[in-house]
Amino acid sequence: GEDVEQSLFLSVREGDSSVINCTYTDSSSTYLYWYKQEPGAGLQLLTYIFSNMDMKQDQRLTVLLNKKDKHLSLRIADTQTGDSAIYFCAVLGSSASKIIFGSGTRLSIRP
Amino acid sequence: GAVVSQHPSRVICKSGTSVKIECRSLDFQATTMFWYRQFPKKSLMLMATSNEGSKATYEQGVEKDKFLINHASLTLSTLTVTSAHPEDSSFYICSVTGTGDYEQYFGPGTRLTVT
Repeated sequence: GEDVEQSLFLSVREGDSSVINCTYTDSSSTYLYWYKQEPGAGLQLLTYIFSNMDMKQDQRLTVLLNKKDKHLSLRIADTQTGDSAIYFCAVLGSSASKIIFGSGTRLSIRP
Repeated sequence: GAVVSQHPSRVICKSGTSVKIECRSLDFQATTMFWYRQFPKKSLMLMATSNEGSKATYEQGVEKDKFLINHASLTLSTLTVTSAHPEDSSFYICSVTGTGDYEQYFGPGTRLTVT
């Protein structure tokens, strides 16, 4: 079945850029998402990219998609303390009926 | 995007009792609702998918008689955990989507603790 993999932790200094990486197995995935979850809260959709795009930028967020390698990344520029959260990569499976989530990357910010 | 609420946000119940969790789509006609379960420091595990007016489709390994799902209208779905046990303690999150919509909008989650 579809699988989505992420590293579990990332620590960056405040003001630096954060890059969170994700790999997936289903080459026919159409939509790929990044969600943010703050402690004790639900998931907030940050951004998504359609599979025919290589890059999408939205203010401090840049999403890069390498379909050949099935690799998705999220870059957060000028990382702030408010960016501390768990970031989930997710893909819309080939059945187009459900979204498959990665395990989440916990981003911590150090001064 | 859609605004999704869940009620209650937190619930503590005794082992053997049943608990009902509501998921409401406040401003959106949700043709499909999803129920997820999240263990501490883990990803979301899809439990079931429900379409309005029809029976839910459960994922493999999820007991449909234990986790009763009712999607009675385009704005309301309920998850009832029957005869709850401590191992059912978890964070339950619902999400909604519309027809042909590739975005899922998530509720804030319900923390269930079974003592």
